[in-house]
Amino acid sequence: AQSVTQLDSHVSVSEGTPVLLRCNYSSSYSPSLFWYVQHPNKGLQLLLKYTSAATLVKGINGFEAEFKKSETSFHLTKPSAHMSDAAEYFCVALRGGSQGNLIFGKGTKLSVKP
Amino acid sequence: KAGVTQTPRYLIKTRGQQVTLSCSPISGHRSVSWYQQTPGQGLQFLFEYFSETQRNKGNFPGRFSGRQFSNSRSEMNVSTLELGDSALYLCASSLALGEADTQYFGPGTRLTVL
Repeated sequence: AQSVTQLDSHVSVSEGTPVLLRCNYSSSYSPSLFWYVQHPNKGLQLLLKYTSAATLVKGINGFEAEFKKSETSFHLTKPSAHMSDAAEYFCVALRGGSQGNLIFGKGTKLSVKP
Repeated sequence: KAGVTQTPRYLIKTRGQQVTLSCSPISGHRSVSWYQQTPGQGLQFLFEYFSETQRNKGNFPGRFSGRQFSNSRSEMNVSTLELGDSALYLCASSLALGEADTQYFGPGTRLTVL
């Protein structure tokens, strides 16, 4: 069965420093993986997605993620955090087969200190 | 193009009551999915509708039901509310069935059960 594990429930960084949000997945095949962001009282917004093309995926707002099959990881990074990046981030896998729905990680809350 | 809209945004009900939530997808989108978000369980898939038919269903009791109209608008109903049904209910739309990787999410309806 597919599953997604976000290794940190809360990450705190200072503005201008790098961001690393960690995600491991479990799947019997190469899955489609995504990162979504949720700002307070807002819906989910897609940051980026991996669909077995390039292993390094660039997304919006300067975020990128690297798919590493050997480590079953899909960590999200950003070189320099901005105050507006403070939000909750979800690593998500697309369930295979005909169902076509999403499996969400528990989320990582990112705090950015001035 | 207008995004996914959900009404109402906030709702307070008491145990035993029933509730109906509404979702209007992006114009031209024909698939609507519903998700429940709680602090304990995170984000969980409820069901997906396409062409007025439920196509996929998550692991929720029969108290949770939905429907889709010919204009693709969808409603979700929860009967005999329990305290544990307090959650943010998110709706997402996509162009076609199974396109979970191109879903757009609405802002959600915050349901509080007292």
